[in-house]
Amino acid sequence: GAVVSQHPSWVICKSGTSVKIECRSLDFQATTMFWYRQFPKQSLMLMATSNEGSKATYEQGVEKDKFLINHASLTLSTLTVTSAHPEDSSFYICSARSLGGLRGMVLGKETQYFGPGTRLLVL
Amino acid sequence: DQQVKQNSPSLSVQEGRISILNCDYTNSMFDYFLWYKKYPAEGPTFLISISSIKDKNEDGRFTVFLNKSAKHLSLHIVPSQPGDSAVYFCAAHLSNFGNEKLTFGTGTRLTIIP
Repeated sequence: GAVVSQHPSWVICKSGTSVKIECRSLDFQATTMFWYRQFPKQSLMLMATSNEGSKATYEQGVEKDKFLINHASLTLSTLTVTSAHPEDSSFYICSARSLGGLRGMVLGKETQYFGPGTRLLVL
Repeated sequence: DQQVKQNSPSLSVQEGRISILNCDYTNSMFDYFLWYKKYPAEGPTFLISISSIKDKNEDGRFTVFLNKSAKHLSLHIVPSQPGDSAVYFCAAHLSNFGNEKLTFGTGTRLTIIP
């Protein structure tokens, strides 16, 4: 299957600093990348959808000025948590959708591939 | 508003037996449903999906059943193996004017007892 990487895998930072998380599709081009957040024992919650070359679309309740998303190429999207606070501590997961998109869904094939996640701890 | 629910946070099954994981949803506009398996500190891995126009899809030991009238789907794993121990998420897919979105359930932790 397709491979999506995230870097770093974990990060500890002081309150008030900014943290950048990278999401890369290693062996396919991703027109769309998604950013999720998972709190302990809770579901994955979609934060934003990122399309290459355009502004990200944020879900209701997610502050776009706090969670900056850049999708500059077909293989890279970045999420920057600005002025991080302890309540931002979470597990952040990206996923990348291949160009197969909905057609892949029709064929019963998965076309959205998840990265391994980044654990953020803000002290 | 939790549109996708997995009411059992945990399930324990004897090795070799059938594991049945359940999922309920509220939005009738969902067009595909997917099951993912997730280990701690890792991203979800895709298991199986089903279109909303079907009622069953089978792939090896995994079968997903969809009951649209009840807005309910289930994942059957048979026979269950120790390596199946993980958290399982159901997810519902929605296409909205070209934008697509996955909504996840809260997960069920499956433990296979050797």
